[in-house]
Amino acid sequence: GDSVTQMEGPVTLSEEAFLTINCTYTATGYPSLFWYVQYPGEGLQLLLKATKADDKGSNKGFEATYRKETTSFHLEKGSVQVSDSAVYFCALIIQGAQKLVFGQGTRLTINP
Amino acid sequence: EPEVTQTPSHQVTQMGQEVILRCVPISNHLYFYWYRQILGQKVEFLVSFYNNEISEKSEIFDDQFSVERPDGSNFTLKIRSTKLEDSAMYFCASSERRNTGELFFGEGSRLTVL
Repeated sequence: GDSVTQMEGPVTLSEEAFLTINCTYTATGYPSLFWYVQYPGEGLQLLLKATKADDKGSNKGFEATYRKETTSFHLEKGSVQVSDSAVYFCALIIQGAQKLVFGQGTRLTINP
Repeated sequence: EPEVTQTPSHQVTQMGQEVILRCVPISNHLYFYWYRQILGQKVEFLVSFYNNEISEKSEIFDDQFSVERPDGSNFTLKIRSTKLEDSAMYFCASSERRNTGELFFGEGSRLTVL
């Protein structure tokens, strides 16, 4: 079946560090890929998306590139801030389907 | 900015009791969803709803679960007879379009079954 695997957390970094959160997927059809973020006390929010191979999604300084050859969608940011502390979820949806398939989430803590 | 709101934020109930979780989706959205996350596990799809009908449901969504849009604004999830394993965070979501991964989620309702 369809599944998403994220790197284990929690991840703790210092402010201005480089961030990578790995995400790989298995899909029976052609997926669109997403990163969602959940800040403390809030619901999940869409951070960025990519709908086809080699697309790069970007938002708020975060980027992820849809790599079909490695079935990956790693999240990166060049210089993290304390306000980036949150739980990050990688997800996919198969074309024509209605349900998002999520990874397990990665808790990120940024220390000043 | 429009948002999805959920009530209650936390509910504690005894095993076997009925629970209703409530959601107010974004007003111009037509597609509604429930997801849940058991502590330490992945966020899982439960059900999608459109035009007063269930359009897709997962294996988790058995006869103990039901959804309803009782009026023009609320969208509810009912668990008829709760079990210990129903303890989870339940997220409501809505979207403008069908078959999209661009969902707007509420903050969640934490259900604890004792």
